[in-house]
Amino acid sequence: GNSVTQMEGPVTLSEEAFLTINCTYTATGYPSLFWYVQYPGEGLQLLLKATKADDKGSNKGFEATYRKETTSFHLEKGSVQVSDSAVYFCAQGGSEKLVFGKGTKLTVNP
Amino acid sequence: GAVVSQHPSRVICKSGTSVKIECRSLDFQATTMFWYRQFPKQSLMLMATSNEGSKATYEQGVEKDKFLINHASLTLSTLTVTSAHPEDSSFYICSAREGTGREKLFFGSGTQLSVL
Repeated sequence: GNSVTQMEGPVTLSEEAFLTINCTYTATGYPSLFWYVQYPGEGLQLLLKATKADDKGSNKGFEATYRKETTSFHLEKGSVQVSDSAVYFCAQGGSEKLVFGKGTKLTVNP
Repeated sequence: GAVVSQHPSRVICKSGTSVKIECRSLDFQATTMFWYRQFPKQSLMLMATSNEGSKATYEQGVEKDKFLINHASLTLSTLTVTSAHPEDSSFYICSAREGTGREKLFFGSGTQLSVL
């Protein structure tokens, strides 16, 4: 069945460090891919998305490229800030339902 | 952006009691709401899809008599965990869809249920 695998956390970085959170998926067909972010005490929010191969989603300095050949959608940011501390979820959806990864907790220290 | 309010954020109950969790869309009408459950270090797992005015559709392996879902209005869906047991302790989160399209999903902040 469809699944999403993302790197285990927690991830701890210093401010201005480079961030990569790996995400791979298995699916029948070509799902849309998403990154959601959950800040402390808040609900999940859509961070970015890509709907077809080679699409690049971007928002708030974060980027992820839909790679069909490697079935991946890795999240990257060139320079993280303390305010980026949150839990990040990779997800795929080929229909109404979303399949999520386990989430990766990111802590950015000043 | 659109806001989904989920209440309570945390609840502790005794084994055998029932617990109700509310999910409200505050500034939009949600014809469809989803209920997820997350165990520690596990993925968010879809439990059921709730459509306003009709019965919920449960995912395989989810007991519909144990997890009662009511979507009586376009802004409110409730999940009732009946006769709760310690193994029901988990993080429950709802989402509401505004119109059509997966990108118009908005999530509540979740409810941490602990059953003693």
